[in-house]
Amino acid sequence: NAGVTQTPKFRILKIGQSMTLQCAQDMNHNYMYWYRQDPGMGLKLIYYSVGAGITDKGEVPNGYNVSRSTTEYFPLRLELAAPSQTSVYFCASSYSKPGGEFFGQGTRLTVV
Amino acid sequence: QQQVKQSPQSLIVQKGGISIINCAYENTAFDYFPWYQQFPGKGPALLIAIRPDVSEKKEGRFTISFNKSAKQFSLHIMDSQPGDSATYFCAASIDRSGSRLTFGEGTQLTVNP
Repeated sequence: NAGVTQTPKFRILKIGQSMTLQCAQDMNHNYMYWYRQDPGMGLKLIYYSVGAGITDKGEVPNGYNVSRSTTEYFPLRLELAAPSQTSVYFCASSYSKPGGEFFGQGTRLTVV
Repeated sequence: QQQVKQSPQSLIVQKGGISIINCAYENTAFDYFPWYQQFPGKGPALLIAIRPDVSEKKEGRFTISFNKSAKQFSLHIMDSQPGDSATYFCAASIDRSGSRLTFGEGTQLTVNP
């Protein structure tokens, strides 16, 4: 069972570079989420989607963009990487609404 | 605004002891309170959850106690084992409206053998 798959697992970016964090789920879940986790800060919601073609901002959306063209995929785009975006990023999905999300294993991003 | 406050930040317990992690919330509209367990290098995983119509929920060695008037809820791990060593997050949401989860800051639990 794949669940939620994130790639890459690790990445080092230079300031100003761009990248896309990939997320795929094979559970046919409608809801998908992107969180960032900073030490001692819990998880902060970046963006979420309630279905294909629908996305909305979370608590900390600045510097990120998302798209949801299909149910399965929910990529997160960083356009101009900044050191403040150094974090661990988690993608998650749930069937109908928040609570009981399945999380991916995370992408550790360092911006230097 | 931090709507869910979690304590302690870290906790060390001896094997067989009871681990207690507390959370307090501000928004009285919250009606769904899950706890997540996260092992190093892994994503969080749902451990146990409670709704405010009950004051306690138990699943094996894990118990959530809920105090609606005090706006507090806690996780109790009985007979703590080294394998329970992980980071624990509480969270809250307004389930009826399908709102997003608000997470606490996390507690790093270490259970010594």
